[in-house]
Amino acid sequence: KAGVTQTPRYLIKTRGQQVTLSCSPISGHRSVSWYQQTPGQGLQFLFEYFSETQRNKGNFPGRFSGRQFSNSRSEMNVSTLELGDSALYLCASSLSSAPGGDTQYFGPGTRLTVL
Amino acid sequence: GENVEQHPSTLSVQEGDSAVIKCTYSDSASNYFPWYKQELGKRPQLIIDIRSNVGEKKDQRIAVTLNKTAKHFSLHITETQPEDSAVYFCAAGGGGADGLTFGKGTHLIIQP
Repeated sequence: KAGVTQTPRYLIKTRGQQVTLSCSPISGHRSVSWYQQTPGQGLQFLFEYFSETQRNKGNFPGRFSGRQFSNSRSEMNVSTLELGDSALYLCASSLSSAPGGDTQYFGPGTRLTVL
Repeated sequence: GENVEQHPSTLSVQEGDSAVIKCTYSDSASNYFPWYKQELGKRPQLIIDIRSNVGEKKDQRIAVTLNKTAKHFSLHITETQPEDSAVYFCAAGGGGADGLTFGKGTHLIIQP
């Protein structure tokens, strides 16, 4: 099976712009989670989608949003970008219907730089 | 929500020695505890996981132990090799509320 894929791999934006990142899960996986990884904060949970519904949300401002499509592909959007949004954004897919309760397989990430 | 503490943040061991990384969690409802290895510039990869109905699990040179009463779990790597050098993350989840919560990571350095 193909692994989790993310596009684009690298992105450079300026403050105030918005960005959309895409994640394609492993075939058959219905859960997609998004994480922000920075050197200082480690891996921080953004949100999780299961069967097109947001099941959990981390402690991030409303500028961070996401959605999931009927084929389980997911997108996340960040509006009004700030310098502090520069990070590696990872998505992970899982079979499980139990939030956080099963093996998550990570994509390669999207490196976002905000200037 | 769940809170996971991981120690140490950096661990340097001689090649061939053992390495131990420890994590504590706060939510007694958590029942799934994976460990991920992340090499520089690469995605996190699952190396071992344990569920709350098991106290210990081993896979070749890697083992994980779980103490539900004390709410802590540990990763043990024996006979360390240069390719074990990476950042290791513990996580806790399955309690339903927050998905997987990760520790801040341990940078493991294997000295030749």
